[in-house]
Amino acid sequence: GESVGLHLPTLSVQEGDNSIINCAYSNSASDYFIWYKQESGKGPQFIIDIRSNMDKRQGQRVTVLLNKTVKHLSLQIAATQPGDSAVYFCAEFSRGSYIPTFGRGTSLIVHP
Amino acid sequence: SAVISQKPSRDICQRGTSLTIQCQVDSQVTMMFWYRQQPGQSLTLIATANQGSEATYESGFVIDKFPISRPNLTFSTLTVSNMSPEDSSIYLCSVDGSLETQYFGPGTRLLVL
Repeated sequence: GESVGLHLPTLSVQEGDNSIINCAYSNSASDYFIWYKQESGKGPQFIIDIRSNMDKRQGQRVTVLLNKTVKHLSLQIAATQPGDSAVYFCAEFSRGSYIPTFGRGTSLIVHP
Repeated sequence: SAVISQKPSRDICQRGTSLTIQCQVDSQVTMMFWYRQQPGQSLTLIATANQGSEATYESGFVIDKFPISRPNLTFSTLTVSNMSPEDSSIYLCSVDGSLETQYFGPGTRLLVL
């Protein structure tokens, strides 16, 4: 079946570095994507989204890149801070569906 | 964005018992969702709860095990029935926001002994 997955389950970076978290998806009908951040003991929090008619979207310190050719999504965090330490999930929506499929999650650890 | 609260935040239960988890939203929402997140895993949708109709369950989840109520547009409950240690998990409710965005509650951490 089709799935959404992540390349790296754990990413360790130094404070101030840039972080890149990757997500591969296989559903060609996906047309909307969200990145969520889940801190320890909390529910997932919306970070940024992107539609399939875009290939890049920027927020505050975060950028999402979408490569539809290879079905790849990435989240870039600039100047990573200890408060960015969390598990990051990508979520993918098929066209016309309001039910997301969540990726496996990547644990980002930021060392001061 | 919606503010969502869940009760209890955590619980330790004996096998064979049942636990009802409450989800309260600070605004009226059409759809509410219940997810399970097993330790170190991603989120799996249990069911979608709309007010005034029966919940729609995903494959692998049944109403007898996870009965859901949705009495109004700001509240829902999920019951985990006849619990076993395999039900130890985080249970999350979420609501539909703008576009397809979902907003999540803080979760209920359940440990079944």
